Amino acid sequence: QITLKESGPTLVRPTETLTLTCTVSGLSLLSAGAGVGWIRQSPGKAPEWLALIYWDDHKRYNPSLQTRLAVSMDTSKNQVVLTMTYVDPVDSGTYFCALVGGLWAQWFGPWGQGTLVAVSS
Amino acid sequence: EIVLTQSPGTLSLSPGDRAALSCRASENLGNDYLAWYRQKPGQAPTLLIYGASSRATGIPDRFSGSGSGTDFTLTISRLEPEDFALYFCQQYSISPYTFGQGTRLEV
Repeated sequence: QITLKESGPTLVRPTETLTLTCTVSGLSLLSAGAGVGWIRQSPGKAPEWLALIYWDDHKRYNPSLQTRLAVSMDTSKNQVVLTMTYVDPVDSGTYFCALVGGLWAQWFGPWGQGTLVAVSS
Repeated sequence: EIVLTQSPGTLSLSPGDRAALSCRASENLGNDYLAWYRQKPGQAPTLLIYGASSRATGIPDRFSGSGSGTDFTLTISRLEPEDFALYFCQQYSISPYTFGQGTRLEV
């Protein structure tokens, strides 16, 4: 069984950098075709795809946030890390990581439980 | 970016009923790259359908997806109590991968 779990701060100050970690169990991130995506969701809004990274370190970003995002892998810990710079209160919400369907199939499943992040001074 | 419009916003039905949820894309989705998710309150979304009509692993056959191009439908043949939740569609035809705003299925 493949499971994902997000971790990170619950409160971040405006203009600071947010760092979130996704720990994957049941699948090596180095497995051919493996990929992990990040999606966030604010109350009452549609989920928003942020970024994804594949086993070969290929990365894709949402163009609207690309200048503020960076995604990386720590293969020794089987983790994916997302950093977001210069956060603003509008970045508050629940952040999920999820397994990507494949290199040519960017659907998401399974998902982690999500981690709630508030951006406030 | 591709905008997905889901309708209706809220659908009121009863257990045992048949539900049809619509998702319309602002552009043609090549290869019918559309997925459907169910999100129960306080939980993460669960993948139901990918490729417009393929059921994900472990998803019961009361869930079916259809459509192509710009118009897609998720059908739930016989509603179970756990099906009353929020449903999203998502396109992965063109980056950025976008989600619809959701349809809430309520009793």
